[in-house]
Amino acid sequence: SSELTQDPAVSVALGQTVTITCQGESLRSYHATWFQQKPGRAPILVIYYNNIRPSGVPDRFSDSRSGNTASLTISGAQAEDEADYYCYSRDSSQRGVFGGGTKLTVL
Amino acid sequence: QVQLQESGPGLVKPSETLSLSCSVSGGSMTNYFWSWIRQPPGKGLEWIGYIFYTGATNYNSSLKSRVAMSVDTSKDQFSLKLTSVTAADTAVYYCARGAFCSGGDCYWLDSWGQGTLVTVSS
Repeated sequence: SSELTQDPAVSVALGQTVTITCQGESLRSYHATWFQQKPGRAPILVIYYNNIRPSGVPDRFSDSRSGNTASLTISGAQAEDEADYYCYSRDSSQRGVFGGGTKLTVL
Repeated sequence: QVQLQESGPGLVKPSETLSLSCSVSGGSMTNYFWSWIRQPPGKGLEWIGYIFYTGATNYNSSLKSRVAMSVDTSKDQFSLKLTSVTAADTAVYYCARGAFCSGGDCYWLDSWGQGTLVTVSS
């Protein structure tokens, strides 16, 4: 299967920890990549391949992987973390695939 | 820091061909996958396909019959053509640079254009 499944919406209290998950068979073979997208803006890369964060991404973002599930964790969520989050990987035909996205609300 | 910029018509008539270009500046095109992604209004991201700097391509299976990509490394740009468009192709279209790890089990899109809205309407 080339599908990646994400929960449509997740909420977290300010300063608390939240985990966003992504499930799919391709994740058994390929690492997930995570993007953050705010309204009206292009997605930005936040983490990939075993916790590599591009310059400028806070270290409160981390990722993990187990079986067919990849997870993005935000430790101590801030108001500016409110956004849509998408996972991305490849399928067995080397085609790219995105998860449906998770809308994160910081309360 | 590499920068990408999409360009092309913002309005395309149904049944016609959508054509977009992406200009790359601040970095080499070698050893990267050059990708197109789209996002219909209010919806999620959809991977359209990529073209490797060598010209090798891979397309979304649902769009494969209508998509063609090309790359011109001498001009630092790559292009997307989508034929026989309908209203369902209305979306913000993004170009992005794709990289990969040596083990072949990880891929990421590290730089994106700002996106361009293409509306299909008569």
